[in-house]
Amino acid sequence: GQNIDQPTEMTATEGAIVQINCTYQTSGFNGLFWYQQHAGEAPTFLSYNVLDGLEEKGRFSSFLSRSKGYSYLLLKELQMKDSASYLCAASDSNYQLIWGAGTKLIIKP
Amino acid sequence: NAGVTQTPKFRVLKTGQSMTLLCAQDMNHEYMYWYRQDPGMGLRLIHYSVGEGTTAKGEVPDGYNVSRLKKQNFLLGLESAAPSQTSVYFCASSILAGDAPGELFFGEGSRLTVL
Repeated sequence: GQNIDQPTEMTATEGAIVQINCTYQTSGFNGLFWYQQHAGEAPTFLSYNVLDGLEEKGRFSSFLSRSKGYSYLLLKELQMKDSASYLCAASDSNYQLIWGAGTKLIIKP
Repeated sequence: NAGVTQTPKFRVLKTGQSMTLLCAQDMNHEYMYWYRQDPGMGLRLIHYSVGEGTTAKGEVPDGYNVSRLKKQNFLLGLESAAPSQTSVYFCASSILAGDAPGELFFGEGSRLTVL
């Protein structure tokens, strides 16, 4: 079956770095998305990886290893506004998105 | 810059009642989707559309119907609401990026409670 695993909750300190991991199993693979969702709001797009390696976008970076079925989202210089849920989603052979349950990130001062 | 707009934002229904959620997008996107989001679970696809006049079933289509008569609108209907349909519903749209749908743009969500 198709499955996405990511930690339920993580806690980090303002100014620090945090890495949110995601492992996936899909029938075929057409890329890995990360979305941010603040409480009570809609998800917003953060990144897309389809090739192995690291994609950097300001304070946020996303990494993909297709052979390992693994991705991570790296957040640097954490700010209080980064407190949110981070959703990992893999695109399967039919371009359908398989979503993880999300990782709730709590930032402490 | 409206993007994706959902109405209504909140609704309380009694078991057996019917209702329609409306999604409108002004970005000329081909793809549109209806998801539901429940605590502790990932977003689950209810129905989707790859263009005007087309619809297809997603992961959890039972109890829902959809229509896409105009490219900019995607309607989600509940014919006979059940408490299991209590959820937050998100509409989303995306462009075609080559042969594949690109990033999703989400509406603000519609919180539905069925008593």
